[in-house]
Amino acid sequence: DARVTQTPRHKVTEMGQEVTMRCQPILGHNTVFWYRQTMMQGLELLAYFRNRAPLDDSGMPKDRFSAEMPDATLATLKIQPSEPRDSAVYFCASGSGQGNTEAFFGQGTRLTVV
Amino acid sequence: GESVGLHLPTLSVQEGDNSIINCAYSNSASDYFIWYKQESGKGPQFIIDIRSNMDKRQGQRVTVLLNKTVKHLSLQIAATQPGDSAVYFCAENRGGAGGTSYGKLTFGQGTILTVHP
Repeated sequence: DARVTQTPRHKVTEMGQEVTMRCQPILGHNTVFWYRQTMMQGLELLAYFRNRAPLDDSGMPKDRFSAEMPDATLATLKIQPSEPRDSAVYFCASGSGQGNTEAFFGQGTRLTVV
Repeated sequence: GESVGLHLPTLSVQEGDNSIINCAYSNSASDYFIWYKQESGKGPQFIIDIRSNMDKRQGQRVTVLLNKTVKHLSLQIAATQPGDSAVYFCAENRGGAGGTSYGKLTFGQGTILTVHP
């Protein structure tokens, strides 16, 4: 059963700490997305990769957020230093690329910064 | 102080009824549109998509209608079941096919559907 896997599922951290969220896209998918979901803003796109190259990270606060794909099976989203306003559910999604619109979402990482 | 969140539209229906969820989009150049379903504690799940050169598409128990004149999208669910209870999002791809924005989605705020047995 192919699916996007995100770890951890839940993370509670203190303000100022570094947070790393991981995502394993579906094998063979060449597009990876990071979304953030909050009650205030809904679902927002943070970053978007194709073939491991970042195509668009305009939705991501550059001073504290960074997104990478060290290899085709791993995408990471880091926040350093974390702030209470970063508390949200972070979703990773992957897709097979052009011509196929469907993006498959992981279960999300619920981040709480206290 | 009290936090203010999004006030999502809600739709309550009886089991067996048909449901219609509406969405207005903003970009007339959007290439395609997708409906997602999100259950509590889970990620959004793809339901159905429609390309901008179509005005109707049907799936299993679902139909999506696209009215480009008024930039309106709707999702019709036939014979709604309690398992259909969720938040439903419309999303649009604002990048053209072949461009670097293909696959990049902008989501609507969502509609809460509650199905009563």
